[in-house]
Amino acid sequence: EDKVVQSPLSLVVHEGDTVTLNCSYEVTNFRSLLWYKQEKKAPTFLFMLTSSGIEKKSGRLSSILDKKELSSILNITATQTGDSAIYLCAADAFGNEKLTFGTGTRLTIIP
Amino acid sequence: DTGVSQDPRHKITKRGQNVTFRCDPISEHNRLYWYRQTLGQGPEFLTYFQNEAQLEKSRLLSDRFSAERPKGSFSTLEIQRTEQGDSAMYLCASSLGWGPILTPPNTEAFFGQGTRLTVV
Repeated sequence: EDKVVQSPLSLVVHEGDTVTLNCSYEVTNFRSLLWYKQEKKAPTFLFMLTSSGIEKKSGRLSSILDKKELSSILNITATQTGDSAIYLCAADAFGNEKLTFGTGTRLTIIP
Repeated sequence: DTGVSQDPRHKITKRGQNVTFRCDPISEHNRLYWYRQTLGQGPEFLTYFQNEAQLEKSRLLSDRFSAERPKGSFSTLEIQRTEQGDSAMYLCASSLGWGPILTPPNTEAFFGQGTRLTVV
């Protein structure tokens, strides 16, 4: 059965710190890895990664996929209180249209 | 608002009652997904449609659950004879998809705000 594991489960840092969130996956016929931010209700899309070693960036957020290690990281630099949320990692596969999600990392930024 | 919309946002029902939720996807998206999320967990896949065809159903989807997308646009998810274990957030998502295998990835899935179901 496909599996996605995130670590840490919870993280508390001070505003201005840099954080790294981890995601590992075991997915048959892996196709892509996605990161979502969930604040109150709907997960909102951050990144989709399909190629190993190519960093994607959006402002202070960046992410990279390592297909050899079956993992991905999400970096957030100069964190702000608005970054407080649950960060979800998900993977999908060729021939399998569902997303398999991890349990998420709850990030709390202290002012 | 051109995002995914779900209705209602909250539903409280007594055990044993039937409930129905609606999802309106982004208009040009041909794929629609239903997920369920409980506290402290990531969303779990329930089922997905490509246009009006229901192509995959999770083992989580017992026979009390049924989903439809009759015209390939909006979808409904019905739960019959609700149980307390059905209490969860029900999320709908949509995406634009191409072929099934060895094709470029679908566009990312965009999620609605969810329907929070409480069974008392």
